[in-house]
Amino acid sequence: DTEVTQTPKHLVMGMTNKKSLKCEQHMGHRAMYWYKQKAKKPPELMFVYSYEKLSINESVPSRFSPECPNSSLLNLHLHALQPEDSALYLCASSRIPGLAGGGPYEQYFGPGTRLTVT
Amino acid sequence: GDSVTQMEGPVTLSEEAFLTINCTYTATGYPSLFWYVQYPGEGLQLLLKATKADDKGSNKGFEATYRKETTSFHLEKGSVQVSDSAVYFCALSRNKGAQKLVFGQGTRLTINP
Repeated sequence: DTEVTQTPKHLVMGMTNKKSLKCEQHMGHRAMYWYKQKAKKPPELMFVYSYEKLSINESVPSRFSPECPNSSLLNLHLHALQPEDSALYLCASSRIPGLAGGGPYEQYFGPGTRLTVT
Repeated sequence: GDSVTQMEGPVTLSEEAFLTINCTYTATGYPSLFWYVQYPGEGLQLLLKATKADDKGSNKGFEATYRKETTSFHLEKGSVQVSDSAVYFCALSRNKGAQKLVFGQGTRLTINP
């Protein structure tokens, strides 16, 4: 199974709401990623988790709060978002190279959650 | 810092035409290079990759060769199909740790029957 699933597919939220995006993979990957993609732009990396620990935060505003409760799940908690945060949010996962190297490994992407902030 | 530059799109071709999408990169050392494809309404899928100079990645009739001397990784296909219509992203990544992908701007390809 090489699938990364994301829920919900679409989300509309007001600026005062709190919501969460969910991502799941069962490939045994120990790196998981959140990306934000605006229309006609490439994905922008937001966060990277390695072995369930946050390893990269690309200076993302605190209204986005990631969580990795276990090696298969990745959440993105949203609070007090702005209309400019409307975008496609993509989750990805990959293996992590060992000490002997072998990477970088392919990132497997989910279909994304289309978020609209009103 | 690392960066990737792709040819401006959109690109429109007729079915069975030859395709080239140019990609050049700026990076120190020896990054790995990728082409990802995004079909409408979907996430990204890896199309092909190359991890060292002179490597050729290939998949589904697409090819790209890692050229260190010209810092390029151009995507080619000899005969495109309508089903190849998508957005194509060139990307690079370092070879250690949890990999941070640096993407080019993307090239939207439309193939007409």
